[in-house]
This record gives sequence, structure tokens and C-alpha cells, in this order.
Amino acid sequence: EADIYQTPRYLVIGTGKKITLECSQTMGHDKMYWYQQDPGMELHLIHYSYGVNSTEKGDLSSESTVSRIRTEHFPLTLESARPSHTSQYLCASSEWYEQYFGPGTRLTVT
Amino acid sequence: GIQVEQSPPDLILQEGANSTLRCNFSDSVNNLQWFHQNPWGQLINLFYIPSGTKQNGRLSATTVATERYSLLYISSSQTTDSGVYFCAVTNNQGGKLIFGQGTELSVKP
Repeated sequence: EADIYQTPRYLVIGTGKKITLECSQTMGHDKMYWYQQDPGMELHLIHYSYGVNSTEKGDLSSESTVSRIRTEHFPLTLESARPSHTSQYLCASSEWYEQYFGPGTRLTVT
Repeated sequence: GIQVEQSPPDLILQEGANSTLRCNFSDSVNNLQWFHQNPWGQLINLFYIPSGTKQNGRLSATTVATERYSLLYISSSQTTDSGVYFCAVTNNQGGKLIFGQGTELSVKP
């Protein structure tokens, strides 16, 4: 089973602040993903990467950006947080098809 | 794109009861996963099952790819089984998971 870590687990932040959500995995997986989930709803893909220096936008439009400078690290950044960004953000990685998820970051923007 | 539908949306069980959760998908898939989301929001991998049958303790799953559905069986349910169960699929080389809307299971003592 993959080891995948996310920090922080919970974050409450004011409108307009810049934030970075961290995601790291120790399994050497090339593929990494960010999903967004509103309470009680399904997950939606917002960003993905198939390797270093490769990033793509997902199916759900997001104002966040991502980078992939190292295989194990896939951070997500919001330049200016807004209340509409309040949600849970889950990071995942995979070698082939089976995806493994981190514990998630629950973000609240006030 | 591919559609994923789960049923039932909600399920309340008495501890010890058995249940079957269903996942229908609208196109052929090369990946199907079942997850359990616990009350803290973490997604726990239950099965990777694009076809066939697998069992893990009290849980088992069957995917009939030709008929485009998968079933998750929970036997002798326990209160710790409570949470939301998601089915998710991919049908292209990208590996992007498409999630169903989930089944919220509540097991009462």
C-alpha cells in the first residue's frame, strides 16, 4: 500500500491569503492527482501529473495551480483564497491504474 | 464522458445484517475501485476490481464488466462499517478516476 502524506490536515484562513497544500508520496509513483470534494458529495479531479515537469488541469475548473519538480512532491497553491474555495482537497498517486489517497486537507476560508 | 451511478444513496442497517451496494457505469472500464470514506474524510482502498470477484474478510466485490456493473457485499456489518462507500472508474489511458455519488451507510448497534 502506498504511503501518501498531506499537510496541513485542517486549515482555516482569511480571504485573500496565499496558501499551499502539500502532498508527498514515498512509493516513487509517476502519476499524482488532486481531487476536490464538497461535504457529502463525490470527488472531482482538479489537477493531475504523469511525471516531473508534467501537469494538466482536470475535469473540474479550479483557480488553484500545481507544480511537479520532484517525483515525490505535488503541491497545490491558491494565490488568493476565497470562501468559495472552502472544501476538502485529496491527493492521490498511482503506478498504473490503482490509486491511493492521502488523508486530505480540510480547508475553510473565512 | 462516462457516467457512474451508485445505489442505494442511503442505507441504514442493524449491526450484524448483510448488505449489497451497486455501481453501474455507462462505458467499458479499465479500472474500477471501491473506497470507504471514514468520518475523518480519508478514503480507504477496499478493492481494485476491473473484473471478477475478490474477497477481503467480511467484504467482497464482484465486477461484471460486460454488463457494466459492480457489487460490493458487506456481511455481518459492524458500526465501524459506517461511512460513505464510493465506486470510481477510469476508461481511458489517463487514469483519471470518475466517482459515483456514493452510498452513505449507517450501521446501528
